[in-house]
Amino acid sequence: AQSVAQPEDQVNVAEGNPLTVKCTYSVSGNPYLFWYVQYPNRGLQFLLKYITGDNLVKGSYGFEAEFNKSQTSFHLKKPSALVSDSALYFCAVRNTGFQKLVFGTGTRLLVSP
Amino acid sequence: EAGVTQFPSHSVIEKGQTVTLRCDPISGHDNLYWYRRVMGKEIKFLLHFVKESKQDESGMPNNRFLAERTGGTYSTLKVQPAELEDSGVYFCASSPQEVWSFGLPSGNTIYFGEGSWLTVV
Repeated sequence: AQSVAQPEDQVNVAEGNPLTVKCTYSVSGNPYLFWYVQYPNRGLQFLLKYITGDNLVKGSYGFEAEFNKSQTSFHLKKPSALVSDSALYFCAVRNTGFQKLVFGTGTRLLVSP
Repeated sequence: EAGVTQFPSHSVIEKGQTVTLRCDPISGHDNLYWYRRVMGKEIKFLLHFVKESKQDESGMPNNRFLAERTGGTYSTLKVQPAELEDSGVYFCASSPQEVWSFGLPSGNTIYFGEGSWLTVV
């Protein structure tokens, strides 16, 4: 069975500082990994994904994520946080056999001015 | 290009009533999915259509939920009768047909709509 863990319910960071939102996964076979963001009262917006190739993936709004196979992690990062990055972030995984995504519980990111 | 659109955006109904949610996927997307997030928990898969066929409905909670995708275009999700625990946000999503290469799928991005926020009182 596939599963995703986002160990932090909330991450607090000051504007301008680097941020990391953690995600670990469990999946049989090759993992396909995704990050989505949900702004208040909005839908899910795609940020980035890892399918194959370079372990460092760059996405929208300056975000990037690093795939680490040995640690089964896919942490989301940004070098310099903005107040407007404050939102709910979801990590998701699927394997090669099924197209459905399995999501983590979400991490709320709060960037203070 | 229009994204995934959902209607209604918000709905408040009484326990025992019926609600029908509609989803229009991105034009040309064969795959259509329904997910929901209940009570601030994780987002859970409900079902997956490929064109008009149900590919996977393993996440449907019970027979009070009925999803259709007539003609392989838009989809509806009906909850009848609604219960209090059905409150939450229902997301529709779509993706293009997957392409296979060297025995592996392409891993298409799944695009989500704004959600239909359902409150059962």
